[in-house]
Amino acid sequence: NAGVTQTPKFQVLKTGQSMTLQCAQDMNHNSMYWYRQDPGMGLRLIYYSASEGTTDKGEVPNGYNVSRLNKREFSLRLESAAPSQTSVYFCASRAGGRSTEAFFGQGTRLTVV
Amino acid sequence: TQLLEQSPQFLSIQEGENLTVYCNSSSVFSSLQWYRQEPGEGPVLLVTVVTGGEVKKLKRLTFQFGDARKDSSLHITAAQPGDTGLYLCAGSYSGAGSYQLTFGKGTKLSVIP
Repeated sequence: NAGVTQTPKFQVLKTGQSMTLQCAQDMNHNSMYWYRQDPGMGLRLIYYSASEGTTDKGEVPNGYNVSRLNKREFSLRLESAAPSQTSVYFCASRAGGRSTEAFFGQGTRLTVV
Repeated sequence: TQLLEQSPQFLSIQEGENLTVYCNSSSVFSSLQWYRQEPGEGPVLLVTVVTGGEVKKLKRLTFQFGDARKDSSLHITAAQPGDTGLYLCAGSYSGAGSYQLTFGKGTKLSVIP
């Protein structure tokens, strides 16, 4: 069972470069999420997609864009990377209901120099 | 943005001791979840609580949901080194943004043999 797959696992960018983090789930889930995790900050929501065709901002959306390409895939784009975006990024999916379990990918460790 | 306070942030105890972790919000949760995260991995669900006053047990772990659905606690009895990890609470709220899943900053637990 693949679950939630994120690529890449590690990435180093120079300030100003752009990149897209990919996320795919094979559980037929409706909702998908992008979080970033920094030391002492827990998980902070960047963007989420409640269902295919919709996206909404979370707590820390500035500097990011997302695309819900289809039901399976939800990508996160950094247009012009900044050192403050150095973090571990997690993608998650849920079946949809508020009490349903969130399944997480293994994370992407991004360093911006 | 809903705020979810978790305490303590760090906890270091001896094997066999008991501990309690707290999660509080100024808003009412429609549901609350507890996750555990190991280094280099994404969080994994431990439990979901949805009813005020609800108590759930998972072996040595006891989860309580406050009557007013604004707070929750996780109690571990006779902690073992295998309980070491980051414990995160996550809440969903009713109304606009109800598909958001908001995380606390986490409690980093170390159980010393």
